Amino acid sequence: EIQLQESGPGLVKPSQSLSLTCSVTGYTITSGYDWSWIRKFPGNKMEWMGYISNSGSTNYNPSLKIRISITRDTSKNQFFLQLNSVTTEDTATYYCARLGAAYGYPLFDYWGQGVMVTVSS
Amino acid sequence: DIQMTQSPTSLAASVGESVTITCLASEDIYGSLVWYQQKPGKSPQLLIYGATILEDGIPSRFSGSGSDTQYSLKINSLQPEDFASYYCQNGLSTPFTFGSGTKLEIK
Repeated sequence: EIQLQESGPGLVKPSQSLSLTCSVTGYTITSGYDWSWIRKFPGNKMEWMGYISNSGSTNYNPSLKIRISITRDTSKNQFFLQLNSVTTEDTATYYCARLGAAYGYPLFDYWGQGVMVTVSS
Repeated sequence: DIQMTQSPTSLAASVGESVTITCLASEDIYGSLVWYQQKPGKSPQLLIYGATILEDGIPSRFSGSGSDTQYSLKINSLQPEDFASYYCQNGLSTPFTFGSGTKLEIK
């Protein structure tokens, strides 16, 4: 069974960096698919942040491009989110998810349970 | 970016009724539309992809329709477990974008 699990600090100070880890079990992230970060704001808006592919290439939402970095540790089957220069507007629940495809249609088929991150001094 | 306009924002219905949620894309997404269900404190669950294809294990009372820019999710004969939030998502191109969500509540 494929499972994703986010971890990281729940509180980050403004102007600092937010760092989260997604640990994947049941599937090797280098075997296929793309591995995404998605966030849901307190007002329920959802935003796709970016992904790292199974080959290690990345694709970021242009709205975050100068602040975001997604990396991975293949030995631990983990991928990571770093978001720099955070503000209170980055307060959200952060999810990692697998970007799959069926019949050629992209879809997020496996999700972590989410981690709530608050940006506050 | 492709904007996804979802309506209504909230909806109240009774067990046994049918409801429809709509999603309008700002441009043709060629059927690459995904629907998710999210319950409080849980992560989103994939319901429908390709606008009309039901994910394995999802009850047949859920159905999707639409093409070009207009899409709908219909839930027939609502069950207590269906009261949740629903989101559409553009799957055509990055950045993937989501609708604002519809909260389905019990009347």
